[in-house]
Amino acid sequence: KAGVTQTPRYLIKTRGQQVTLSCSPISGHRSVSWYQQTPGQGLQFLFEYFSETQRNKGNFPGRFSGRQFSNSRSEMNVSTLELGDSALYLCASSLSRVNTGELFFGEGSRLTVL
Amino acid sequence: AQTVTQSQPEMSVQEAETVTLSCTYDTSENNYYLFWYKQPPSRQMILVIRQEAYKQQNATENRFSVNFQKAAKSFSLKISDSQLGDTAMYFCAFMKRGGTSYGKLTFGQGTILTVHP
Repeated sequence: KAGVTQTPRYLIKTRGQQVTLSCSPISGHRSVSWYQQTPGQGLQFLFEYFSETQRNKGNFPGRFSGRQFSNSRSEMNVSTLELGDSALYLCASSLSRVNTGELFFGEGSRLTVL
Repeated sequence: AQTVTQSQPEMSVQEAETVTLSCTYDTSENNYYLFWYKQPPSRQMILVIRQEAYKQQNATENRFSVNFQKAAKSFSLKISDSQLGDTAMYFCAFMKRGGTSYGKLTFGQGTILTVHP
C-alpha cells in the first residue's frame, strides 16, 4: 500500500507570492492533517480535514488555508508569503474517524521563501 | 492548553546499549493519549509507541517501552539493544482524547538520538 505522498518535495518562492501544496493520503484514509515544522517553533498543527470538512484548525493566520477533495486528497495554500513561512510542511493521514493519534506522515514539502 | 517538554536536545548511545529519552507534559485533561514519534534524517516521521492515559500498564513495542507516570506527568521512552537504524529525532507528543481535537498532536521540541557503532 502506498504511503502518504506530498508534492512538490522542494520549492522556492519569493515574498508576496502564494503557494499550493498537495497531499495524497494512504488509500482508505479519510482524515488528513497538516503541520508546519521549523527549527524555532518545532511542529505546529495547521488544520485537519475529514470527508471534505475542516474539523479542526490551529493558530495560524488566515493566509494559511486548505481543502480536501472527495477522493480525500488535500491541498494547503499559503498566500502572501513571508520569510517566516519557510518551513517543512508535513501532511499526515489517519484511518480512523475519531481521535486515535496514530498519524501516518508524508516526507514533507520543503518551502523556502526568499 | 497543553505543553510538552523534552529537556534533552541531543543524546548519544553505543550500539546494543540502552538509552532513555525524557518527556514531561502539562495538561488539565484527564483523558488523553501520549506518543513517541521518530523522524529519521530526510525520511518521514513514524509512530514508535502510544500510551492511553487511562491505562496504568506501560506500553511496549519490541525494543521500545515507556515509563508513564501520570501523577508526575512524565512519559519517558526506553530503547533497548539500540541499533544504528534508531538514529533519528524523537518527538514526544500529546493528544486530547475525544472532543474536537481532531488531528491535533502537541509535540515537544524533539531529542536527536545518535547511535554509534
